[in-house]
Amino acid sequence: AQSVTQLGSHVSVSEGALVLLRCNYSSSVPPYLFWYVQYPNQGLQLLLKYTTGATLVKGINGFEAEFKKSETSFHLTKPSAHMSDAAEYFCAVSESGAGSYQLTFGKGTKLSVIP
Amino acid sequence: DGGITQSPKYLFRKEGQNVTLSCEQNLNHDAMYWYRQDPGQGLRLIYYSQIVNDFQKGDIAEGYSVSREKKESFPLTVTSAQKNPTAFYLCASVQRDGNTIYFGEGSWLTVV
Repeated sequence: AQSVTQLGSHVSVSEGALVLLRCNYSSSVPPYLFWYVQYPNQGLQLLLKYTTGATLVKGINGFEAEFKKSETSFHLTKPSAHMSDAAEYFCAVSESGAGSYQLTFGKGTKLSVIP
Repeated sequence: DGGITQSPKYLFRKEGQNVTLSCEQNLNHDAMYWYRQDPGQGLRLIYYSQIVNDFQKGDIAEGYSVSREKKESFPLTVTSAQKNPTAFYLCASVQRDGNTIYFGEGSWLTVV
């Protein structure tokens, strides 16, 4: 069975500081990995995803994430936080095999940006 | 444009009533999912369907029911047995290779 763990339900950073949101997963097969962002009272928007190939994935709004198989991690980073980055972020894992697939989300990390 | 449409955006339910949330997709995706979101609890899986006329319970299926009569549609009924239905509900669909996940805009359900 697959699972996703997001370390830290709430992260605060200063504007202009590095953003690091942690995600670890477990999966029995090579997974697909996703980061989503949710602004208040809205649905989920895809930030970036890893399927195959290059392990450093760049997404929208200056975010990127690196797939590290040995560490079973897919941490999300952004070099310089902006006030508009304040939102909740969800890591998700999807795996498929034998004609079926599962989709599992972490519990989310709420990012606050301090002026 | 292809996508997922959830309706209504806001819904109020009286005690003892059943209500149905609609989820329609024109992406030709096989798998569809319903999640419930409560503050601080992330997304919890209610039901999912991998193929037409088949669906499975998720982690919090009690008090909910679904149907999957058509590939495009996966409605969720919140029954009177669901004791605390006030929440934000999200529908999602996934294409066969698990490569791309699409979400609807969500539906707010409030019990009055």
